[in-house]
Amino acid sequence: DGGITQSPKYLFRKEGQNVTLSCEQNLNHDAMYWYRQDPGQGLRLIYYSQIVNDFQKGDIAEGYSVSREKKESFPLTVTSAQKNPTAFYLCASSTSGSGETQYFGPGTRLLVL
Amino acid sequence: DAKTTQPPSMDCAEGRAANLPCNHSTISGNEYVYWYRQIHSQGPQYIIHGLKNNETNEMASLIITEDRKSSTLILPHATLRDTAVYYCIVRAYSGNTPLVFGKGTRLSVIA
Repeated sequence: DGGITQSPKYLFRKEGQNVTLSCEQNLNHDAMYWYRQDPGQGLRLIYYSQIVNDFQKGDIAEGYSVSREKKESFPLTVTSAQKNPTAFYLCASSTSGSGETQYFGPGTRLLVL
Repeated sequence: DAKTTQPPSMDCAEGRAANLPCNHSTISGNEYVYWYRQIHSQGPQYIIHGLKNNETNEMASLIITEDRKSSTLILPHATLRDTAVYYCIVRAYSGNTPLVFGKGTRLSVIA
Protein backbone atom coordinates (compact mmCIF):
# COMPACT_ATOMS: atom_id res chain seq x y z
CA ASP A 1 0.00 0.00 0.00
CA GLY A 2 1.11 3.57 -0.64
CA GLY A 3 1.51 5.85 2.30
CA ILE A 4 3.62 7.13 5.13
CA THR A 5 4.99 4.91 7.83
CA GLN A 6 6.39 5.97 11.16
CA SER A 7 8.22 3.80 13.62
CA PRO A 8 8.14 2.95 16.37
CA LYS A 9 4.60 3.66 17.55
CA TYR A 10 5.83 4.21 21.11
CA LEU A 11 9.36 5.21 22.12
CA PHE A 12 10.89 5.64 25.54
CA ARG A 13 13.85 7.86 26.15
CA LYS A 14 16.11 8.02 29.16
CA GLU A 15 17.50 11.30 30.44
CA GLY A 16 20.46 12.47 28.36
CA GLN A 17 19.79 10.03 25.52
CA ASN A 18 19.38 10.80 21.83
CA VAL A 19 16.62 8.94 20.01
CA THR A 20 15.71 8.79 16.32
CA LEU A 21 12.19 8.61 14.93
CA SER A 22 11.75 7.05 11.53
CA CYS A 23 9.54 8.39 8.72
CA GLU A 24 9.30 6.71 5.32
CA GLN A 25 7.01 7.45 2.37
CA ASN A 26 6.47 5.61 -0.90
CA LEU A 27 4.29 8.30 -2.47
CA ASN A 28 7.19 9.81 -4.44
CA HIS A 29 6.53 13.11 -2.68
CA ASP A 30 9.11 15.87 -2.83
CA ALA A 31 8.45 17.52 0.53
CA MET A 32 8.43 16.04 4.02
CA TYR A 33 7.62 17.58 7.39
CA TRP A 34 7.89 16.91 11.12
CA TYR A 35 5.35 18.26 13.58
CA ARG A 36 5.06 17.98 17.33
CA GLN A 37 1.75 17.82 19.20
CA ASP A 38 1.32 18.32 22.93
CA PRO A 39 -1.89 17.26 24.73
CA GLY A 40 -4.87 19.42 23.82
CA GLN A 41 -2.84 21.50 21.39
CA GLY A 42 -2.53 21.84 17.65
CA LEU A 43 0.50 20.66 15.70
CA ARG A 44 3.71 22.74 15.68
CA LEU A 45 6.34 22.56 12.94
CA ILE A 46 9.80 21.24 13.86
CA TYR A 47 11.58 20.87 10.49
CA TYR A 48 10.65 20.49 6.87
CA SER A 49 12.40 19.52 3.67
CA GLN A 50 11.25 20.48 0.20
CA ILE A 51 13.97 18.55 -1.69
CA VAL A 52 16.63 15.96 -0.97
CA ASN A 53 19.70 17.23 0.90
CA ASP A 54 17.96 20.42 1.97
CA PHE A 55 15.82 21.26 5.01
CA GLN A 56 14.60 24.27 6.96
CA LYS A 57 13.92 24.90 10.63
CA GLY A 58 10.38 25.30 11.80
CA ASP A 59 9.06 27.12 14.83
CA ILE A 60 10.44 24.74 17.46
CA ALA A 61 13.64 23.26 15.96
CA GLU A 62 15.81 23.65 19.07
CA GLY A 63 16.87 20.28 20.44
CA TYR A 64 16.04 18.42 17.22
CA SER A 65 17.99 17.45 14.12
CA VAL A 66 17.04 15.93 10.75
CA SER A 67 18.58 14.59 7.58
CA ARG A 68 17.19 14.08 4.07
CA GLU A 69 19.61 11.85 2.20
CA LYS A 70 16.90 10.00 0.31
CA LYS A 71 13.63 11.24 -1.13
CA GLU A 72 11.59 8.65 0.73
CA SER A 73 13.13 9.08 4.18
CA PHE A 74 13.21 11.95 6.70
CA PRO A 75 14.39 10.78 10.14
CA LEU A 76 14.09 13.04 13.18
CA THR A 77 16.58 12.88 16.05
CA VAL A 78 15.49 14.14 19.44
CA THR A 79 18.70 15.16 21.17
CA SER A 80 19.46 15.48 24.86
CA ALA A 81 19.25 19.25 24.40
CA GLN A 82 15.46 18.92 24.05
CA LYS A 83 14.44 19.25 27.68
CA ASN A 84 10.77 18.43 27.29
CA PRO A 85 10.53 15.81 24.54
CA THR A 86 7.40 14.01 25.72
CA ALA A 87 4.90 14.52 22.90
CA PHE A 88 3.19 12.99 19.88
CA TYR A 89 5.36 13.32 16.75
CA LEU A 90 3.81 13.40 13.31
CA CYS A 91 5.47 13.14 9.94
CA ALA A 92 3.84 14.31 6.71
CA SER A 93 4.64 14.56 3.02
CA SER A 94 3.34 16.45 0.00
CA THR A 95 4.15 17.14 -3.63
CA SER A 96 3.60 20.00 -6.03
CA GLY A 97 0.25 20.11 -7.72
CA SER A 98 -2.95 18.30 -6.71
CA GLY A 99 -3.56 20.89 -3.99
CA GLU A 100 -0.18 20.13 -2.42
CA THR A 101 -2.16 18.15 0.10
CA GLN A 102 -0.16 16.96 3.06
CA TYR A 103 -0.60 13.35 4.04
CA PHE A 104 0.25 12.33 7.58
CA GLY A 105 1.68 9.20 9.10
CA PRO A 106 0.20 7.49 12.17
CA GLY A 107 2.58 9.21 14.59
CA THR A 108 5.13 8.22 17.23
CA ARG A 109 4.48 8.85 20.90
CA LEU A 110 7.71 9.64 22.77
CA LEU A 111 7.86 9.27 26.53
CA VAL A 112 10.71 10.17 28.86
CA LEU A 113 11.57 7.70 31.61
CA ASP B 1 0.54 31.93 14.59
CA ALA B 2 -2.57 30.47 13.02
CA LYS B 3 -4.47 32.87 10.77
CA THR B 4 -7.84 31.33 11.57
CA THR B 5 -10.34 31.42 14.43
CA GLN B 6 -12.59 28.48 15.25
CA PRO B 7 -14.95 27.70 18.14
CA PRO B 8 -13.27 25.32 20.60
CA SER B 9 -16.07 22.77 20.59
CA MET B 10 -19.41 21.84 18.99
CA ASP B 11 -21.96 19.07 19.34
CA CYS B 12 -24.01 17.51 16.58
CA ALA B 13 -26.73 14.86 16.62
CA GLU B 14 -26.00 11.73 14.63
CA GLY B 15 -27.54 11.88 11.17
CA ARG B 16 -27.80 15.66 11.16
CA ALA B 17 -25.58 18.06 9.24
CA ALA B 18 -22.55 19.39 11.10
CA ASN B 19 -21.65 22.97 10.19
CA LEU B 20 -18.21 24.03 11.38
CA PRO B 21 -17.38 27.73 11.03
CA CYS B 22 -13.98 29.32 10.51
CA ASN B 23 -12.96 32.96 10.47
CA HIS B 24 -9.96 34.00 8.35
CA SER B 25 -10.41 37.74 7.98
CA THR B 26 -6.76 38.41 7.05
CA ILE B 27 -6.59 35.88 4.21
CA SER B 28 -4.49 36.94 1.22
CA GLY B 29 -5.49 36.64 -2.41
CA ASN B 30 -3.18 33.67 -3.10
CA GLU B 31 -4.14 31.71 0.01
CA TYR B 32 -6.40 28.71 0.05
CA VAL B 33 -8.57 27.40 2.88
CA TYR B 34 -7.77 23.82 3.90
CA TRP B 35 -9.65 21.59 6.31
CA TYR B 36 -8.15 18.64 8.13
CA ARG B 37 -9.48 16.50 10.95
CA GLN B 38 -7.73 14.46 13.61
CA ILE B 39 -9.34 11.51 15.30
CA HIS B 40 -7.92 10.83 18.74
CA SER B 41 -4.28 9.65 18.70
CA GLN B 42 -4.13 9.47 14.89
CA GLY B 43 -2.46 11.60 12.25
CA PRO B 44 -4.53 14.42 10.72
CA GLN B 45 -6.62 13.52 7.68
CA TYR B 46 -7.14 15.85 4.74
CA ILE B 47 -10.80 16.71 4.07
CA ILE B 48 -11.09 19.46 1.45
CA HIS B 49 -9.65 22.75 0.27
CA GLY B 50 -10.82 25.76 -1.77
CA LEU B 51 -9.93 29.23 -2.97
CA LYS B 52 -13.17 31.16 -3.52
CA ASN B 53 -15.70 28.80 -5.05
CA ASN B 54 -17.71 26.33 -3.04
CA GLU B 55 -16.26 22.83 -3.14
CA THR B 56 -17.73 19.39 -2.54
CA ASN B 57 -16.21 15.94 -2.35
CA GLU B 58 -17.23 12.59 -0.95
CA MET B 59 -16.48 13.67 2.60
CA ALA B 60 -17.76 17.21 2.93
CA SER B 61 -18.70 20.55 1.39
CA LEU B 62 -16.81 23.79 1.82
CA ILE B 63 -18.67 27.09 1.62
CA ILE B 64 -16.50 30.22 1.35
CA THR B 65 -18.08 33.66 1.70
CA GLU B 66 -17.80 36.05 -1.21
CA ASP B 67 -15.34 38.29 0.66
CA ARG B 68 -13.36 35.14 1.61
CA LYS B 69 -13.15 36.23 5.23
CA SER B 70 -14.92 33.17 6.57
CA SER B 71 -15.91 29.66 5.58
CA THR B 72 -18.02 26.73 6.75
CA LEU B 73 -17.25 23.05 6.53
CA ILE B 74 -20.39 20.94 6.18
CA LEU B 75 -20.58 17.24 6.99
CA PRO B 76 -23.99 16.43 5.52
CA HIS B 77 -24.92 13.42 7.64
CA ALA B 78 -22.68 13.21 10.69
CA THR B 79 -21.91 9.79 12.17
CA LEU B 80 -20.21 8.82 15.41
CA ARG B 81 -17.02 8.21 13.41
CA ASP B 82 -16.91 11.91 12.55
CA THR B 83 -16.12 12.77 16.18
CA ALA B 84 -12.73 14.48 15.91
CA VAL B 85 -10.86 17.77 16.09
CA TYR B 86 -11.34 19.78 12.90
CA TYR B 87 -8.66 22.22 11.78
CA CYS B 88 -9.22 25.11 9.38
CA ILE B 89 -5.92 26.28 7.85
CA VAL B 90 -5.07 29.11 5.49
CA ARG B 91 -2.10 28.42 3.26
CA ALA B 92 -0.51 29.67 0.06
CA TYR B 93 -0.85 27.22 -2.81
CA SER B 94 2.74 26.97 -3.98
CA GLY B 95 6.12 25.73 -2.85
CA ASN B 96 4.94 22.97 -0.53
CA THR B 97 4.75 25.34 2.42
CA PRO B 98 4.10 23.86 5.86
CA LEU B 99 0.71 23.94 7.52
CA VAL B 100 0.13 26.21 10.52
CA PHE B 101 -2.31 24.60 12.93
CA GLY B 102 -4.46 26.34 15.50
CA LYS B 103 -6.33 24.46 18.21
CA GLY B 104 -9.24 23.55 15.96
CA THR B 105 -12.84 22.67 16.83
CA ARG B 106 -13.60 19.52 18.77
CA LEU B 107 -16.74 18.07 17.18
CA SER B 108 -18.69 15.56 19.24
CA VAL B 109 -21.34 13.59 17.36
CA ILE B 110 -23.99 12.36 19.77
CA ALA B 111 -26.20 9.32 19.24
